[in-house]
Amino acid sequence: DVKVTQSSRYLVKRTGEKVFLECVQDMDHENMFWYRQDPGLGLRLIYFSYDVKMKEKGDIPEGYSVSREKKERFSLILESASTNQTSMYLCASSRLTYRGSQETQYFGPGTRLLVL
Amino acid sequence: AQTVTQSQPEMSVQEAETVTLSCTYDTSESDYYLFWYKQPPSRQMILVIRQEAYKQQNATENRFSVNFQKAAKSFSLKISDSQLGDAAMYFCAYDLGNEKLTFGTGTRLTIIP
Repeated sequence: DVKVTQSSRYLVKRTGEKVFLECVQDMDHENMFWYRQDPGLGLRLIYFSYDVKMKEKGDIPEGYSVSREKKERFSLILESASTNQTSMYLCASSRLTYRGSQETQYFGPGTRLLVL
Repeated sequence: AQTVTQSQPEMSVQEAETVTLSCTYDTSESDYYLFWYKQPPSRQMILVIRQEAYKQQNATENRFSVNFQKAAKSFSLKISDSQLGDAAMYFCAYDLGNEKLTFGTGTRLTIIP
């Protein structure tokens, strides 16, 4: 079974703090993703990585950065946390797709972040 | 903008009955993939069912089936013989072949015993 783990289930931080959210997958997947989930808005893609040290902006990258130094680990960084970044953050991974195919994304349990 | 719309924020169904969750989407692409994901309370999101747009036959997975209407850009999920374990948020999503998913806003399904 694919396992995607996230470093924390719940996190409380203060405005202005630098926040690191870690995600690890154990299935040698090339692709990794960070989403945020908000009521009434569904899931929105923040950043995406298809290889080590590679990253691509998603729909809402402002205020976030990412790091992928190892294939199995994808970190989301809030450089200076703000209250509007209070949300549920979901990590996902999938195999690299080839033309004509599509691979399922596997999700972690999520990190509920509260910024005070 | 490419969008996915789930017009039912909440639905409920009696146990053992059938329920249909609606999803419409907007894209100018002809090749894409459609998904329904399930997020149970305090548990991980999992894939329920997927459909390739080039396939006319509707996908089926046990009690879950879809009604895919490509011309109408509609992709509804039917759950037959609803069970208590089906209670969850359900998200419709598509992938235009660029390995990224675009999600709808979700439908919260309640199962009434």
